[in-house]
Amino acid sequence: GENVEQHPSTLSVQEGDSAVIKCTYSDSASNYFPWYKQELGKGPQLIIDIRSNVGEKKDQRIAVTLNKTAKHFSLHITETQPEDSAVYFCAASKPGGSYIPTFGRGTSLIVHP
Amino acid sequence: GAGVSQSPSNKVTEKGKDVELRCDPISGHTALYWYRQSLGQGLEFLIYFQGNSAPDKSGLPSDRFSAERTGGSVSTLTIQRTQQEDSAVYLCASSLDVGELFFGEGSRLTVL
Repeated sequence: GENVEQHPSTLSVQEGDSAVIKCTYSDSASNYFPWYKQELGKGPQLIIDIRSNVGEKKDQRIAVTLNKTAKHFSLHITETQPEDSAVYFCAASKPGGSYIPTFGRGTSLIVHP
Repeated sequence: GAGVSQSPSNKVTEKGKDVELRCDPISGHTALYWYRQSLGQGLEFLIYFQGNSAPDKSGLPSDRFSAERTGGSVSTLTIQRTQQEDSAVYLCASSLDVGELFFGEGSRLTVL
């Protein structure tokens, strides 16, 4: 089955700095890569996603890049703010009879004011 | 509109007791997922329901775990003879076919 590795497990930055979280996946058939943000005491919420037919997608301060050849994708957050502090999860899934995302282990992002 | 609702939000039980966790998905969502989140761990897939198809139970860790979805809507996750290692947050999510998962806030289970 699919295996998703996520690094780093913890990331501490100063407000205004950029943050980058990286994920690798194992199944070359995977074609959908969402990123979720989980705030304390809440369920994860989708913040951005990318499909395998594009290499980059941007939404204001967040962007995701995908390298299909190397089977890795990354989340980039620019001009970080304290409210960006949360746990971020990457995931990968592939088409088929069922659609079950495999999640990475999460990155705890701490933005210091 | 209403999101995914889970109950109870917190459950403390004694080892060996059975527990039931409930999930009300977003109306009209055909897919429903259960995940388990242990402290410092990622989201571990448990079970997936899609419409009237047979559920994908490949993630259930043991036969003490079971789940059902009645009428294509509400789902119940049952853990029999709970063990301390079952302590975790159990997250339910629903979606419209393929795409974004909408998660509930989870049920935190503590087994003493």
